[in-house]
Amino acid sequence: KNEVEQSPQNLTAQEGEFITINCSYSVGISALHWLQQHPGGGIVSLFMLSSGKKKHGRLIATINIQEKHSSLHITASHPRDSAVYICAVNSGNQFYFGTGTSLTVIP
Amino acid sequence: DGGITQSPKYLFRKEGQNVTLSCEQNLNHDAMYWYRQDPGQGLRLIYYSQIVNDFQKGDIAEGYSVSREKKESFPLTVTSAQKNPTAFYLCASSIRQTRTAPYEQYFGPGTRLTVT
Repeated sequence: KNEVEQSPQNLTAQEGEFITINCSYSVGISALHWLQQHPGGGIVSLFMLSSGKKKHGRLIATINIQEKHSSLHITASHPRDSAVYICAVNSGNQFYFGTGTSLTVIP
Repeated sequence: DGGITQSPKYLFRKEGQNVTLSCEQNLNHDAMYWYRQDPGQGLRLIYYSQIVNDFQKGDIAEGYSVSREKKESFPLTVTSAQKNPTAFYLCASSIRQTRTAPYEQYFGPGTRLTVT
């Protein structure tokens, strides 16, 4: 069983659409991370959340600790948002990763 | 510029050869990690090191070896014993701002290894 489950696996959207990616986890965590991986492979951290909600530009991340669930929202999606989005949780000094959501935004 | 460097970006080897992937960080982070990424799977932990001269096996350590002689460097050797070595390999380091804060992880650009 995976400690972190993401949905959907693949997502195609028209430019301008509102996008939601979901993440559920089963372990106790100190933080949840949303990561972005572009073609070519490099991974960058978008958010680190322990509670509540964070916003950065068109990206919003929320977490519900009681329900062990997080969502990543992208408002007014753009083709440059096309990437793989990975949910990861931090439990102690270990990290557990979801399988990623591959997002394609069509102009 | 602080960060993690991995070299080379692409690596090709013949089956039966050992190969070493480089990972260097100048972030002064104590903890370093090696992950393997395969299509359709999440990152899987190969080895991690919390301090110089100490490292721990992850979930898929068989066929791999590491060393941590310097804080900045955490090279990974893919041995001929690794049955399916073709994959994308990511090195990472982590730090926490206080003793009770969560760890923040930083990733290198990755090395794509192809073994034929």
